[in-house]
Amino acid sequence: DAKTTQPNSMESNEEEPVHLPCNHSTISGTDYIHWYRQLPSQGPEYVIHGLTSNVNNRMASLAIAEDRKSSTLILHRATLRDAAVYYCILRADRDDKIIFGKGTRLHILP
Amino acid sequence: NAGVMQNPRHLVRRRGQEARLRCSPMKGHSHVYWYRQLPEEGLKFMVYLQKENIIDESGMPKERFSAEFPKEGPSILRIQQVVRGDSAAYFCASSPARAIRGYTFGSGTRLTVV
Repeated sequence: DAKTTQPNSMESNEEEPVHLPCNHSTISGTDYIHWYRQLPSQGPEYVIHGLTSNVNNRMASLAIAEDRKSSTLILHRATLRDAAVYYCILRADRDDKIIFGKGTRLHILP
Repeated sequence: NAGVMQNPRHLVRRRGQEARLRCSPMKGHSHVYWYRQLPEEGLKFMVYLQKENIIDESGMPKERFSAEFPKEGPSILRIQQVVRGDSAAYFCASSPARAIRGYTFGSGTRLTVV
């Protein structure tokens, strides 16, 4: 899997939007951008993925730069339950394993 | 539609004993992955299995660790002669064949070696 770079930690206030950045300058044409999160004492949870176009689902939105060298996970209205480590992962179309990096630890302030 | 089931949730073993961790994938999922997370560290890939086949074991320690996914029954991660350094959370994930969407993870087994 190609390398991604994320900030170690971020803080946000409750009920405000959160933008979690990810740089992936070496992304290849067939790499999908996946986001997972891991809440305390739980297993990772799939959040969203995309290839070129922006994506929305009930959990979050994924904004992908036009050159695909970066992306942003957007939580539209953070709650305390969104406090977790968020992982940005590149996964080639044919790959069958996901490699986790260090992720971004998101703190939500009440 | 149950998710990925791992048991036990917590396991305590004395040094030198064997640990067996079980993972039942989601219904319809034929691929299983095991990950290990040491305290305060990230998730490390261990092994990827399909029914009766080990596809990728590049993350498995060379000794004492083995995994299987039989035709019937759960996937088993087996650790022989456990040592204190094996204390960690072990997560299992499953996916359908060639899943672009992503994996579904279980809640993990927390192994403590005393």
